[in-house]
Amino acid sequence: QSVLTQPPSASGTPGQRVTISCSGSNSNIGRNIVAWYQQFPGAAPKLLINSNNQRPSGVPDRFSASKSGTSASLAISGLQSEDEADYYCSAWDDSLTGRVFGGGTKVTVL
Amino acid sequence: DVQLVESGGGLVQPGGSLRLSCVCSGFNFRTYWMSWVRQVPGKGLEWVATTRESGRGKHYVDLVKGRFTVSRDDATKSLFLQMNSLRVEDTAVYYCARENYAIDYWGQGTLVTVSS
Repeated sequence: QSVLTQPPSASGTPGQRVTISCSGSNSNIGRNIVAWYQQFPGAAPKLLINSNNQRPSGVPDRFSASKSGTSASLAISGLQSEDEADYYCSAWDDSLTGRVFGGGTKVTVL
Repeated sequence: DVQLVESGGGLVQPGGSLRLSCVCSGFNFRTYWMSWVRQVPGKGLEWVATTRESGRGKHYVDLVKGRFTVSRDDATKSLFLQMNSLRVEDTAVYYCARENYAIDYWGQGTLVTVSS
């Protein structure tokens, strides 16, 4: 059971907008930056964006993030086939004094 | 370019020990918190341990407390994870990661298999 809660799956057709939610608590999402990671099979995770909407260079602006209270979300606009991957949210938890992750969301492009 | 390169994974029997290493380059290592994160193949990400800059503070997930020790050598820009009393459930890919209010860089991972 992950500390942060994500839906196990999400899907959309090319060009659609897909949103992934991440629910936590005051000790993690409520107080700290939330980061989103993209992971392809057999590869290491890669930082996609954080809750301040900061993206590393090379990440397209189709990816956007937001946070409100103890929940965060990742939106993928103009869904493309290469977006098919697993997505994880994460934040530092001040009560656990450690990093917590969501269980991951598998995005499928139909 | 920032690079994190892990090594030290392998097959070990339950109750055994293993030491993972992560050599870093491309950034001022001594000023960053560093973490280990693991992933059972086909499953999600699980944070294992974090060391603050200069090793001033270390934090562990409850499952590994008393068995794993995270350490760092700022002179060689290296991060380590000493794993003792290994259990079958510790089998996973272990990633070295740089903390910058969030993990912003990951290594490629090293596979640890605990099996008799």
